[in-house]
Amino acid sequence: DIQMTQSPSSLSASVGDRVTITCRASQSISSYLNWYQQRPGKAPKLLIYAASSLQSGVPSRFSGSGSGTDFTLTISSLQPEDFASYYCQQSYSTPPTFGQGTTLEIK
Amino acid sequence: QVQLQESGPGLVKPSETLSLTCTVSGGSINSYYWSWIRQPPGKGLEWIGYIYYSGSTNYNPSLKSRVIISEDTSKNQFALNLSSVTAADTAVYYCARHNSNGTPRFDPWGQGTLVTVSS
Repeated sequence: DIQMTQSPSSLSASVGDRVTITCRASQSISSYLNWYQQRPGKAPKLLIYAASSLQSGVPSRFSGSGSGTDFTLTISSLQPEDFASYYCQQSYSTPPTFGQGTTLEIK
Repeated sequence: QVQLQESGPGLVKPSETLSLTCTVSGGSINSYYWSWIRQPPGKGLEWIGYIYYSGSTNYNPSLKSRVIISEDTSKNQFALNLSSVTAADTAVYYCARHNSNGTPRFDPWGQGTLVTVSS
């Protein structure tokens, strides 16, 4: 299985901050990388697919980049509703696997 | 738009079989792949497996010996059966559409249902 490692595991930030979360794959996955947001008690929601494509309806302050083994999710200006957990997921090979998650907390 | 809803018992005894159903509304299951994913309390996400409307399936090797995913196209539903459960199978179970066009991705998801394994 392809291992996905996110960093940091948790992050404290303030409204208006720019934040970046990284995700590293244990082998090259081209651009087969998705990002999800999960608010407490809710199901994950797709934010970014194919490493950098913004899912319909997702605010443009979210962006993704990377290819191969290293990827980033950037939130350009944090809003109160963005404080949540974020997961990367590879879809290059079966089984699809997720990173361990990054929890974004209010400073 | 497509919506998914999980249903089934919230409590299952050890060694028994966990059975859940996902009802799809706003669209037909006669296209796309449909997946089950779980999340133990306070932990990360694990893909369990998917079914294609043709009936073909693919399971996570870590669970393959205990998992069966089936479908009922007449009811627009698909189901998960996980046998010989233990406390380690306690989790929130989600169903999701597995969009395989381009980069495969999970969207949308059901709200999830907590299943506790305990005697």
